[in-house]
Amino acid sequence: EVQLVESGGGLVQPGGSLRLSCAASGFTFSSYDMHWVRQATGKGLEWVSVIGTAGDTYYAGSVKGRFTISRENAKNSVYLQMNSLRTGDTAVYYCAGAVTGSFDYWGQGTLVTVSS
Amino acid sequence: DIQMTQSPSSLSASVGDRVTITCQASQDISNYLNWYQQKPGKAPKLLIYDASNLETGVPSRFSGSGSGTDFTFTISSLQPEDIATYYCQQYDNLPRPLIFGGGTKVEIK
Repeated sequence: EVQLVESGGGLVQPGGSLRLSCAASGFTFSSYDMHWVRQATGKGLEWVSVIGTAGDTYYAGSVKGRFTISRENAKNSVYLQMNSLRTGDTAVYYCAGAVTGSFDYWGQGTLVTVSS
Repeated sequence: DIQMTQSPSSLSASVGDRVTITCQASQDISNYLNWYQQKPGKAPKLLIYDASNLETGVPSRFSGSGSGTDFTFTISSLQPEDIATYYCQQYDNLPRPLIFGGGTKVEIK
């Protein structure tokens, strides 16, 4: 059974940092591009970042320079280091796996709340 | 960057109605277009990939068409369990961004 389990969300003050983790199982993790997608309450899906199978990384303009994605294939895990957090970063963060251009697997999401 | 314009943003239809959602890309994306269904509190679910291919296990009342810049998603006969928000998503130059449309919330009239 395929599973993606996110963790690390929570309440943080503006300007603070959080590190999200996503643990994968049930598929060949190293063969998948791994993405983070977020969704603010009542809003649409917003792509955040991707790390390819070769370790190449891309970011949405809204998070570039503040967020860092990484992966550890030996642990079947992907991470999102989020620094200089803003209230606009408040959302449910999903990790998702894609081998082609579609998201094949999704986690259940972890809530990040940025508030003073 | 490629932009995706999805319409309408919401619609209300009766059970059994035919429902159509459109998605327009700001430039030619060939058939690199997918459709997802998202129910409240759940992660999105892939329904259609590469514009017109039905994902395994997805009911045949769902379909997709189009290529280039204009795409259509259809529910041939709306069912109560189809109440959800639907998103288009384009891809190009993998693993670069997989961009979503704004979503269409489908409700029962």
